[in-house]
Amino acid sequence: DAKTTQPPSMDCAEGRAANLPCNHSTISGNEYVYWYRQIHSQGPQYIIHGLKNNETNEMASLIITEDRKSSTLILPHATLRDTAVYYCIVRGSSNTGKLIFGQGTTLQVKP
Amino acid sequence: DTAVSQTPKYLVTQMGNDKSIKCEQNLGHDTMYWYKQDSKKFLKIMFSYNNKELIINETVPNRFSPKSPDKAHLNLHINSLELGDSAVYFCASSQSQGGVTEAFFGQGTRLTVV
Repeated sequence: DAKTTQPPSMDCAEGRAANLPCNHSTISGNEYVYWYRQIHSQGPQYIIHGLKNNETNEMASLIITEDRKSSTLILPHATLRDTAVYYCIVRGSSNTGKLIFGQGTTLQVKP
Repeated sequence: DTAVSQTPKYLVTQMGNDKSIKCEQNLGHDTMYWYKQDSKKFLKIMFSYNNKELIINETVPNRFSPKSPDKAHLNLHINSLELGDSAVYFCASSQSQGGVTEAFFGQGTRLTVV
């Protein structure tokens, strides 16, 4: 699975959009981009995933560049409860199901 | 109604003891996992079972022995506990081991070895 690079930390004002970037320049054609988050002292929570098209669900939007070498997770209206560590993970559909977590981005939403 | 539940939530024990952590999922998933999160917050996979069969064993010391009595349960038994085993252990499950599938995690078991 391709390696990902994320900024270690970001701040966002409550009510504003939070845009979390992820670089995955070595991604291969059959690998998906997944986003999970871990709120303090809780288990990781799935947010969204995509292959090459942009995706949106009730939690967030995922924008993947045309060359698929980077992506951005967008939380449209961040709340204090969105403060968490956000992990960008690249995973092939044929692998064993394991998730390889990096350091992630610590998002601090401020009032 | 909790999807992936682990017990206990907290576990404090002395070095050298043997302890078990239990995990159950009610999602009907075929695959279950154990992850370890150390003091530096790195999350790393330990084991994966698919339909009660061991799929992944990520060079974990053999003091750690997972057991899957059925596909809804994956327990973790740890022998001769060491200080370095102190961590948060997360159980997870997914519909299948391959394919495009999301994983659901339990709330974690914080193990402290003293």
